Amino acid sequence: GEDVEQSLFLSVREGDSSVINCTYTDSSSTYLYWYKQEPGAGLQLLTYIFSNMDMKQDQRLTVLLNKKDKHLSLRIADTQTGDSAIYFCAETGFQKLVFGTGTRLLVSP
Amino acid sequence: EAGVAQSPRYKIIEKRQSVAFWCNPISGHATLYWYQQILGQGPKLLIQFQNNGVVDDSQLPKDRFSAERLKGVDSTLKIQPAKLEDSAVYLCASSPGEARETQYFGPGTRLLVL
Repeated sequence: GEDVEQSLFLSVREGDSSVINCTYTDSSSTYLYWYKQEPGAGLQLLTYIFSNMDMKQDQRLTVLLNKKDKHLSLRIADTQTGDSAIYFCAETGFQKLVFGTGTRLLVSP
Repeated sequence: EAGVAQSPRYKIIEKRQSVAFWCNPISGHATLYWYQQILGQGPKLLIQFQNNGVVDDSQLPKDRFSAERLKGVDSTLKIQPAKLEDSAVYLCASSPGEARETQYFGPGTRLLVL
């Protein structure tokens, strides 16, 4: 079945890099996504990677994909206090998105 | 471009009461999704519409939940009767066409069942 796992919590200092990890199970996933959720808000699409890519960079965000290990990571460079939120990875299982449990990122000044 | 709209933003009801949520997707988006997000968990798909037809409702508790998308535009999700475990955020999302495309989410409706 489909299962997406993430660590629950990450704490970093402002200016450091953050790395949020995710493992997934569906090897047929076409796209893998990272969403951000701030308190009381819906999910905001941050970035996505196509399954035939290893890496994608978008400004401060770098996504790495290891298909062999079914491992996805999101690196945020120069993390700011405004990056504090819950980050969800999601895989495209058959016809639908399957979300992880989310990683709460806390950025301290 | 206007985003996905949802109302109400918050709702408090007692168990066994009924409640309805409304969603207006991004204009022109054919696919509409309803998700349930329980506190501390990721969103779980309840139902997916392609235009006004149901594509996937396998995780919708059909004894108490119902949804419709008349005319293939906006949609309503209803719970009747509500249980305590239905307390969650109900998220609506839309995408332009086929499944697996990028989904755009609304702000959600936060439901508390007492």
